[in-house]
Amino acid sequence: SAVISQKPSRDICQRGTSLTIQCQVDSQVTMMFWYRQQPGQSLTLIATANQGSEATYESGFVIDKFPISRPNLTFSTLTVSNLSPEDSSIYLCSVEDRDWTEIGGYTFGSGTRLTVV
Amino acid sequence: GENVEQHPSTLSVQEGDSAVIKCTYSDSASNYFPWYKQELGKGPQLIIDIRSNVGEKKDQRIAVTLNKTAKHFSLHITETQPEDSAVYFCAASRGGGFKTIFGAGTRLFVKA
Repeated sequence: SAVISQKPSRDICQRGTSLTIQCQVDSQVTMMFWYRQQPGQSLTLIATANQGSEATYESGFVIDKFPISRPNLTFSTLTVSNLSPEDSSIYLCSVEDRDWTEIGGYTFGSGTRLTVV
Repeated sequence: GENVEQHPSTLSVQEGDSAVIKCTYSDSASNYFPWYKQELGKGPQLIIDIRSNVGEKKDQRIAVTLNKTAKHFSLHITETQPEDSAVYFCAASRGGGFKTIFGAGTRLFVKA
């Protein structure tokens, strides 16, 4: 399965600022997924990032707040903009482990724990 | 929308006992059911999965069962150890660009 390097692992940010999270994958992947995990909660998909096209956002998430870049098949960034305390969460990137015929499970990065003060 | 219900939310067992976590899914087209373990400060890690053409799968102390008719699947951990303490998530997927749906998670405590 793929290996993902995600950074930063944690950050404390001031209100109104932005945080950019980076994910590097050790193999080329078509889609990368960005999730939010609020304290003690499950995983909520923010968006799917395809290389060479705009990310596809889930209901409740907008590009202005969560801009995503996907410059190549091994790298993606998620920016959380105009931070408020409600943005305090763990943010995770992931890729799907699959061959050409069957869907597979996800490999996740180690997560970025964001605290907004 | 589609959802996955997971129970219990918290489970405490004595070391050596078994633990069972149950999930029910709503999308009858789901055909892939992974289970993830998330330890403190880490991302979720896939521990076992099952596809819709299989009723049961086992990997050492971990097993998963699937009842397609009831749209129900379960994780069984036998001979639990303190290092099994973590949050476990079930999920259901149908591929084809549809997103994976995660359960709410079960926090498992294994008491030594």
